[in-house]
Amino acid sequence: GAVVSQHPSRVICKSGTSVKIECRSLDFQATTMFWYRQFPKQSLMLMATSNEGSKATYEQGVEKDKFLINHASLTLSTLTVTSAHPEDSSFYICSAQRDASNYGYTFGSGTRLTVV
Amino acid sequence: AQKVTQAQTEISVVEKEDVTLDCVYETRDTTYYLFWYKQPPSGELVFLIRRNSFDEQNEISGRYSWNFQKSTSSFNFTITASQVVDSAVYFCALKGAGNMLTFGGGTRLMVKP
Repeated sequence: GAVVSQHPSRVICKSGTSVKIECRSLDFQATTMFWYRQFPKQSLMLMATSNEGSKATYEQGVEKDKFLINHASLTLSTLTVTSAHPEDSSFYICSAQRDASNYGYTFGSGTRLTVV
Repeated sequence: AQKVTQAQTEISVVEKEDVTLDCVYETRDTTYYLFWYKQPPSGELVFLIRRNSFDEQNEISGRYSWNFQKSTSSFNFTITASQVVDSAVYFCALKGAGNMLTFGGGTRLMVKP
């Protein structure tokens, strides 16, 4: 079955530093990857959609310069939280889609980011 | 615009009870897909089911069953004889003509021994 690996699972960083989260599709090529943020006891909110080789499409209210998304290959997408602040502390989850005709979405295991 | 509503934010049951999680959706698309996911305390999302808008047959998988009714725009999920391991947050989600999933607010299910 389709597997998506997300690393790290947990990260604690100091305010002002940057953190990179990786999302890899292990056994399939993901034409599209999605990044979600989930605050405690809340639902998943889509942050951005990325297609391999092109710029990510960000949802309204998500700062492009703060949440840098790179989808350089069909198996890897990264989310970099730049100049992190405590309010960026959240659970970040990626999701990969094999192709547009396959409506299955495979989710990573998530990254819990704590900014101190 | 799409919307998914899970009116029950928290449900608490005693083990072996049956429980139904409600999901109501809104979409203008004629072709769409509905999903249910389970999120245990560890955080990962576990896929449970996908149903397309043209398939209104109910589905049963072990203790899980789903009731899809287009007339009421609902896609409810029932767990029969609940177990403690069923304790989790359950999300209903919708994919319309676009590529993105729209999630409901989630229902936290607590099954007590």
